[in-house]
Amino acid sequence: GQNIDQPTEMTATEGAIVQINCTYQTSGFNGLFWYQQHAGEAPTFLSYNVLDGLEEKGRFSSFLSRSKGYSYLLLKELQMKDSASYLCAAHNQGGKLIFGQGTELSVKP
Amino acid sequence: DTGVSQNPRHKITKRGQNVTFRCDPISEHNRLYWYRQTLGQGPEFLTYFQNEAQLEKSRLLSDRFSAERPKGSFSTLEIQRTEQGDSAMYLCASRPKVSTDTQYFGPGTRLTVL
Repeated sequence: GQNIDQPTEMTATEGAIVQINCTYQTSGFNGLFWYQQHAGEAPTFLSYNVLDGLEEKGRFSSFLSRSKGYSYLLLKELQMKDSASYLCAAHNQGGKLIFGQGTELSVKP
Repeated sequence: DTGVSQNPRHKITKRGQNVTFRCDPISEHNRLYWYRQTLGQGPEFLTYFQNEAQLEKSRLLSDRFSAERPKGSFSTLEIQRTEQGDSAMYLCASRPKVSTDTQYFGPGTRLTVL
């Protein structure tokens, strides 16, 4: 079967660092996406990992371990506007995305 | 605006009615995907097209659902005899032919079935 697991919700403080974990079990795995989604809006692309290791992009970094079926999204210097749902998605052959349920991040002052 | 567009943005209908949604992908994106998202959940894959060919359909896509992309550009998703369980956000995404695996999402159509 196909399964993507991530925490339902997390809370962090403005200026802090938060790590959102994602584990996956899928067939035909090509890579791992992270999307950000504000309430009532479309998901917006954050990162895509194909190879093992860390990819850094400004305040956001994403890590992938294919052998462990594990990824995380690291957000640094948190801002209030980072409050959103963060979606982990496995990219399968054929191109479809298998999403987790999303992690609702609340950033507090 | 060169992003993915979807119409209508909101649709309220009565149970048993038919509804049709439209998605206009980013120009020259040959792959187009439909997803459904309910509150508190991640999007679920429904179907996808490469140009005008529908290449995969999820088991979620019952025989009441049909999708088309007649000229390989815009796509429509029709739901016949709507049920309350069809209430969800219907998202469309497109992806270019080469250079990236990234899918770009439209704003979605929120369907409410009364």
